[in-house]
Amino acid sequence: DAGVTQSPTHLIKTRGQQVTLRCSPKSGHDTVSWYQQALGQGPQFIFQYYEEEERQRGNFPDRFSGHQFPNYSSELNVNALLLGDSALYLCASSLGVAVGANVLTFGAGSRLTVL
Amino acid sequence: GQSLEQPSEVTAVEGAIVQINCTYQTSGFYGLSWYQQHDGGAPTFLSYNGLDGLEETGRFSSFLSRSDSYGYLLLQELQMKDSASYFCAVRDQRSGNRDDKIIFGKGTRLHILP
Repeated sequence: DAGVTQSPTHLIKTRGQQVTLRCSPKSGHDTVSWYQQALGQGPQFIFQYYEEEERQRGNFPDRFSGHQFPNYSSELNVNALLLGDSALYLCASSLGVAVGANVLTFGAGSRLTVL
Repeated sequence: GQSLEQPSEVTAVEGAIVQINCTYQTSGFYGLSWYQQHDGGAPTFLSYNGLDGLEETGRFSSFLSRSDSYGYLLLQELQMKDSASYFCAVRDQRSGNRDDKIIFGKGTRLHILP
């Protein structure tokens, strides 16, 4: 049973560039949430996708955008990269968005370095 | 606003018991979860408390008191492999919003001494 897969695992960009990160949820899951984790910090919620719609959003600027596809996979796009965007980007999948959907399954993350 | 507070670091000896506390403040609340993350790894789910009381899963137990907005993770018979960061997380729902999200604390780094 495949878990959550993310790509790429590592990437280096320069300021001002754009990046796209990809995520395939665990088999049977239909909801994808994206988190940003700086070194030594907890995951910060970026947004959540369900039924191909953005359902919830954290305190991130519009430079951060996403998409969910009919097969439940998802992309995270970040435009006009800043040095402060350097972090581990985690994708987490779950089943549904109701109160009972309390368990997140995380991917190994995409480590983004902005120079 | 939303906030979760947990100690930044805890040190314990192999074979001992350690408790990691978490206090939270959210606009809505639907349960407290705990996740473990080893260096370079992904967070993995450990436990969930939706109601007050103690939940036990092997060497790990988790407690919740909704009236105190407080919970803890208890690790028994500590092993070196338990050295990791531990995050409490709450499901938060805003009034009038049809959906909710899970937000995380900053994490507690657990050091195990031989």
